Parts: sequence; structure tokens; C-alpha cells
Amino acid sequence: DTGVSQDPRHKITKRGQNVTFRCDPISEHNRLYWYRQTLGQGPEFLTYFQNEAQLEKSRLLSDRFSAERPKGSFSTLEIQRTEQGDSAMYLCASSLSGGGTEAFFGQGTRLTVV
Amino acid sequence: AQSVTQLDSQVPVFEEAPVELRCNYSSSVSVYLFWYVQYPNQGLQLLLKYLSGSTLVKGINGFEAEFNKSQTSFHLRKPSVHISDTAEYFCAVTTNQAGTALIFGKGTTLSVSS
Repeated sequence: DTGVSQDPRHKITKRGQNVTFRCDPISEHNRLYWYRQTLGQGPEFLTYFQNEAQLEKSRLLSDRFSAERPKGSFSTLEIQRTEQGDSAMYLCASSLSGGGTEAFFGQGTRLTVV
Repeated sequence: AQSVTQLDSQVPVFEEAPVELRCNYSSSVSVYLFWYVQYPNQGLQLLLKYLSGSTLVKGINGFEAEFNKSQTSFHLRKPSVHISDTAEYFCAVTTNQAGTALIFGKGTTLSVSS
């Protein structure tokens, strides 16, 4: 297993278009997180799955954002009607369940909305 | 809800000097604390974590951190830094309660010069 992988690594889209990102976690990890990181800021929590159940969503996750994790394996994050303010790095992380387990991060998907 | 405050956005130091990166947290329940490092154009990597037990934890690359419950702090230290330590450092907190996400601070940029 080579770690958490995210696809694509870079995405440029026009304002108003929909985009979808994919995250493949480490295979035995049942927790999966999505974060957004803008320049000079820390990762901002978006949402979190335990297996296929979406357990928590941040206020940052507007109704234009939706995340799924069918079958508790890979996850997708979709942004509808993209806005320039959505330009950011979108990070995925996975971990085992249980308190204090290390979250392993992917390299991220850099979204630029023009 | 938990929160993290990193007290310094930028810390410039000379090579071989000691460094301390400060982190304070807020939580109404017991916490687990982490420090992650992000090198330029790379993903986040775990430096060290505090779960329980000894309040002084040692991590990779010669870093250590001390958990201080009364001060609600988890400061990161290194006695002698190298140029290669130049990176962004993030403090993060979670709890042992089911469904609690990993919440990050805004980060501290450590710049090591010769």
C-alpha cells in the first residue's frame, strides 16, 4: 500500500462548473477526512467518514459541497457551481478508528477556479 | 468543540539555534495532541503525538513537545535546528469521543537561515 492517493493532483475549472475529486485511503483505514487548505492557513476540516457513514460536517461545507464514501472505501468530494473562493488545496486523510490514531495525508488536489 | 491556537505565524531562526513553536488548545474534555510538518509542495507528515502518560513526547527529526494541562499548551521544541527544518508546522487536536475530527491550527512557518 503506497499511502493515501488523491486524483487529480491539479484541476483548473471555470466558475460555475462542477468538479469532483477522488481519494483512495490506506486500505485498512476506516476513517476518512476531507480538509481544505488555503495559502498560509492550516487545514480546515470539511467532513469525516467512519466507514461509509458521514459522521460530521463542518459549517464550511455549504450545500454546493457533497461528499460520499460508498462501501466505505474510496471517497469523492464534489463541488457544484464552483466559485473563485473555492480555489484551494483539498486534502484527504485516513486513519484507523480509535482515539489518537495517526491521520495519514494525501498530496492533495489543487483547485483553481478561473 | 475543540480549537487550536498557534501563537506565532512565522519564526525565523539561525541554523543550530534552539527553537520553540507555541501551541495552545481549548477543549472541555480530554484531548489528544499532534504536531504535523509540511515541507514545500509535500503532504503533511506526523512529527509527534501526545495521547497519555509522560507529558514530554519525542518525535522524528529531533523534535520534542511538552503537554501542559494546566496551561492547555503543547509547545514544540528542537535544541538545534537545521536548514532542512524549514517548513510549515501545524498543531492539531482531537478527543477520544466518537466522531471527533482532527482540528488544526493555522500553522507556524519556521524559516532557518545560515
